Amino acid sequence: QQQVKQSPQSLIVQKGGISIINCAYENTAFDYFPWYQQFPGKGPALLIAIRPDVSEKKEGRFTISFNKSAKQFSLHIMDSQPGDSATYFCAPYSGSTLGRLYFGRGTQLTVWP
Amino acid sequence: GAVVSQHPSWVICKSGTSVKIECRSLDFQATTMFWYRQFPKQSLMLMATSNEGSKATYEQGVEKDKFLINHASLTLSTLTVTSAHPEDSSFYICSAGSLAKNIQYFGAGTRLSVL
Repeated sequence: QQQVKQSPQSLIVQKGGISIINCAYENTAFDYFPWYQQFPGKGPALLIAIRPDVSEKKEGRFTISFNKSAKQFSLHIMDSQPGDSATYFCAPYSGSTLGRLYFGRGTQLTVWP
Repeated sequence: GAVVSQHPSWVICKSGTSVKIECRSLDFQATTMFWYRQFPKQSLMLMATSNEGSKATYEQGVEKDKFLINHASLTLSTLTVTSAHPEDSSFYICSAGSLAKNIQYFGAGTRLSVL
């Protein structure tokens, strides 16, 4: 059973544009909603995360929007830069950070200069 | 700097040999670590959950005898790919959660190539 559905699979954005990646989940027990960024040949790195008690969180150019009723959350990258070109994964989970993450299929973002 | 160290970053071995990959949490104790496998342009697939002082919990379809996991201390977990074959060639990644920082950190990954 696929608990997390991520879209789009790939995204091409012009430099300076806005990149939007979406994640829908099934498990209502999830209570932590992170986005990870992965460059080729490297492990994923936490980019930004949100808890369900807030609807939006912003860190620099990166914003998470969370819709609990729709069971969806999204990543917005403002003023996208070529250095943002990477694969992005949503990976919600429940409980503490000792629990397993449920990874989406990933979105390959390419930002053209 | 990295808080989860994974070694080696790249290994090439002959078919039939065994390869050991180490995962260390550098500044926190990790009672639980996770091992993932990732094929090119695909997502991370959880292989097993490594529990300190007890047996690992494997995901369905993962061969326990082929992928041996040992979590002998609160800062070290190892994954041994036994009798490796070309189809075991993949990118292996470990992770560990820090309760204090409320973040799950990932290692840099190990690229395994079996000839």
